[in-house]
Amino acid sequence: EVQLVESGGGLVQPGGSLRLSCAASGFTFSGYWMSWVRQAPGKGLEWVANIKQDGSEKYYVDSVKGRFTISRDNAKNSLYLQMNSLRAEDTAVYYCAREWYMDVWGKGTTVTVSS
Amino acid sequence: DIVMTQTPLSLSVTPGQPASISCKSSQSLLHSNGKTYLYWYLQKPGQPPQLLIYEVSNRFSGVPDRFSGSGSGTDFTLKISRVEAEDVGVYYCLQTIQLPSYTFGQGTKLEIK
Repeated sequence: EVQLVESGGGLVQPGGSLRLSCAASGFTFSGYWMSWVRQAPGKGLEWVANIKQDGSEKYYVDSVKGRFTISRDNAKNSLYLQMNSLRAEDTAVYYCAREWYMDVWGKGTTVTVSS
Repeated sequence: DIVMTQTPLSLSVTPGQPASISCKSSQSLLHSNGKTYLYWYLQKPGQPPQLLIYEVSNRFSGVPDRFSGSGSGTDFTLKISRVEAEDVGVYYCLQTIQLPSYTFGQGTKLEIK
């Protein structure tokens, strides 16, 4: 069964950092683009970042450029999102998804930025 | 950035009746390779989104054939031929033609009468 499981969310103060992880199973992880998408409380979906199969290409939404870094470890079948200089507006459920067009999604991990 | 505009933002449908959602993009989603990068998702209450339709009109694996997508260029439509109770949730369109700025529509909430 294809599965994505996010972890690493939590409560962090403004200006703080968090590292999200996504464990993939049931498919050849190294063969797929991977993406992060977030959803603020009561709001719609926002694409955050994606990364090519070998990590050679990475793209970010403007609002997180310079603060967030997407990465992957194909040997560990894992995707990551390092989030620095966090702001209140980064509060959201963060979903890991397969492919640039998000054909399979994890259940999400909640990030709350608040003092 | 490409703006995706969905209408209506909410609709209430009697089971067994059809439903239709429109998604308009501010720029053409037709790539030079001939593909159109428009997708539809459904987010059921308390769940992550799920892919319904890819590249305008292709149903994803396991999606019932009562769901269909159509359109071209900047105008797209998701249709449900006969709404069922399990179809409730929020429907989103997505464009992926413009990197690094993929954008979703605002979402359309479907309720059952």
